[in-house]
Amino acid sequence: EAQVTQNPRYLITVTGKKLTVTCSQNMNHEYMSWYRQDPGLGLRQIYYSMNVEVTDKGDVPEGYKVSRKEKRNFPLILESPSPNQTSLYFCASSINRDSGNTIYFGEGSWLTVV
Amino acid sequence: AQKVTQAQTEISVVEKEDVTLDCVYETRDTTYYLFWYKQPPSGELVFLIRRNSFDEQNEISGRYSWNFQKSTSSFNFTITASQVVDSAVYFCALSAPGSYIPTFGRGTSLIVHP
Repeated sequence: EAQVTQNPRYLITVTGKKLTVTCSQNMNHEYMSWYRQDPGLGLRQIYYSMNVEVTDKGDVPEGYKVSRKEKRNFPLILESPSPNQTSLYFCASSINRDSGNTIYFGEGSWLTVV
Repeated sequence: AQKVTQAQTEISVVEKEDVTLDCVYETRDTTYYLFWYKQPPSGELVFLIRRNSFDEQNEISGRYSWNFQKSTSSFNFTITASQVVDSAVYFCALSAPGSYIPTFGRGTSLIVHP
């Protein structure tokens, strides 16, 4: 079954404690990205990757890092989380950068930073 | 720059009513793609439809229909005979070759009362 899988789904953490949200897709997609969803702001892209070892900033990259060492995985790293990073995070993938490709989303990760 | 506007923040209807969710977009690209996604209370994002800018035919899928009008830059979504299970946040999105980052609207929360 075609899937984008992210973990953890729910996490409460403390300010400053590094955390990683993993993302894996089994569709051999080239393009992967991370979004955060906040009330009243919709979905905003954090980072994206067009292929292995190719990453770039989205609209709201501050406070986040990513890596793309393998095609299937695209972890999101919060080196020093702060309360304003409390949000619902989505990993997404699509076949490639072509704008017509459907974006497939993971189930979301609810992150709370206290 | 791309922009997607979903002016309706929240819509409340009673079951069996028809409801239309508005989406207005802006882009300088002549080729682009429009999407609708559904986010039920469980949080995941579910793909509903993709439409390219050269195809202005309306589409119907069961109780769902979409009206794409290039002249008014709109891609509205209508649910006929709404049901409680339709309660969700609905996102309209735009993707064009001119930007590597798909643009999402802020979402419309639809509440269907029994």
